[in-house]
Amino acid sequence: EVQLVQSGAEVKKPGESLKISCKGSGYSFTSYWIGWVRQMPGKGLEWMGIIYPSDSDTRYSPSFQGQVTISADKSIRTAYLQWSSLKASDTAMYYCARLRETQSRWFDPWGQGTLVSVSS
Amino acid sequence: QSVLTQPPSVSAAPGQKVTISCSGSSSNIGNNYVSWYQQLPGTAPKLLIYDNNRRPSGIPDRFSGSKSGTSATLGITGLQTGDEADYYCGTWDSSLSAAVFGGGTKLTVL
Repeated sequence: EVQLVQSGAEVKKPGESLKISCKGSGYSFTSYWIGWVRQMPGKGLEWMGIIYPSDSDTRYSPSFQGQVTISADKSIRTAYLQWSSLKASDTAMYYCARLRETQSRWFDPWGQGTLVSVSS
Repeated sequence: QSVLTQPPSVSAAPGQKVTISCSGSSSNIGNNYVSWYQQLPGTAPKLLIYDNNRRPSGIPDRFSGSKSGTSATLGITGLQTGDEADYYCGTWDSSLSAAVFGGGTKLTVL
């Protein structure tokens, strides 16, 4: 079974750093891009960026460029999303998802999500 | 403000049919394939439709997708209370070089 398992919920203070993870299993981890998607409370889905674990080629949404860092460690089949200085506005659910590409692109499967809460 | 436009909500009675629209532009839906995702309350999104109208294995044929020009439509027949969820359309935007999603549509089965 193809599966993405994310790290657990985090409670942080503004200014703190954070790195959350997404571990893939059941498929060739280095053959597919992994994407990150933000969902703020009560809001829709926002694409943040993608990474190709084989060579760590990374693309960011202009809205998130410079705000977060996406990385991957192919030796342990894990992708990461990190912040160097959190803000209250980073409070959201974050999902990772595998990007499928043929003649089109779509995300499947999705991780279960990691809830990040930032408050003083 | 999402790049793709969806109605905020739709509703219908059990057993009935509903459609959800997704409107974009030539840089996204007009020149790329559309996917649809179902997000049940408190859960992660799940792929329903890809390549405009293809269903992954395990998705019942009550769910269908279509695309015309710069718009796409998700159809659900034989509505069940278990279909109550948020539904999102998605595609690639060639101008932004980015994946884009609609704002989501909340389906209520009355």
